[in-house]
Amino acid sequence: DAKTTQPNSMESNEEEPVHLPCNHSTISGTDYIHWYRQLPSQGPEYVIHGLTSNVNNRMASLAIAEDRKSSTLILHRATLRDAAVYYCISRSTLTFGKGTMLLVSP
Amino acid sequence: DAGVIQSPRHEVTEMGQEVTLRCKPISGHNSLFWYRQTMMRGLELLIYFNNNVPIDDSGMPEDRFSAKMPNASFSTLKIQPSEPRDSAVYFCASSLGFGVTSNQPQHFGDGTRLSIL
Repeated sequence: DAKTTQPNSMESNEEEPVHLPCNHSTISGTDYIHWYRQLPSQGPEYVIHGLTSNVNNRMASLAIAEDRKSSTLILHRATLRDAAVYYCISRSTLTFGKGTMLLVSP
Repeated sequence: DAGVIQSPRHEVTEMGQEVTLRCKPISGHNSLFWYRQTMMRGLELLIYFNNNVPIDDSGMPEDRFSAKMPNASFSTLKIQPSEPRDSAVYFCASSLGFGVTSNQPQHFGDGTRLSIL
């Protein structure tokens, strides 16, 4: 099974960039990496996904290591509304775990 | 567009009672997932369906839990009899496609907060 490992929590200041890491050293070559976030009292929300190349969308950027053993979710300018739990998962296993709680200070 | 719709939003019931949670996936999505979230264990996958057929129910905690998907627009998760340790937030999600090579994201409902007294 492709297991992902994330830090329990991270802190950032508003309007600063945030880099959220994820290790997935056992992921298969055809398995997509997905990121979700969960705001308080809401269901998880899709953020971004990728396979090998770096990806950008309106919410974030995803940088995937060349060996695919790790990836980084990048929030270019954190806002207070970005405070949430962020999950990195392999699409095939759907194992969310406990994610990284991002705290954003004004 | 309507997202994934779950009902009820909150359920409080006494131990031993039957509980039925309901989910309407996004129209056109062919995969449906049930999750449970607790502080201790985080977000756990219970069961998922593809084209209304259960594919993997290995996450279902025990025989007291059952799930059905009678058609493409409706699914239920039933607990009978319920116990206090079943208290959690239950989420339903749907997506297009399925499988290791699928790149389709899941869309989650707002969840049902279940409390068993």
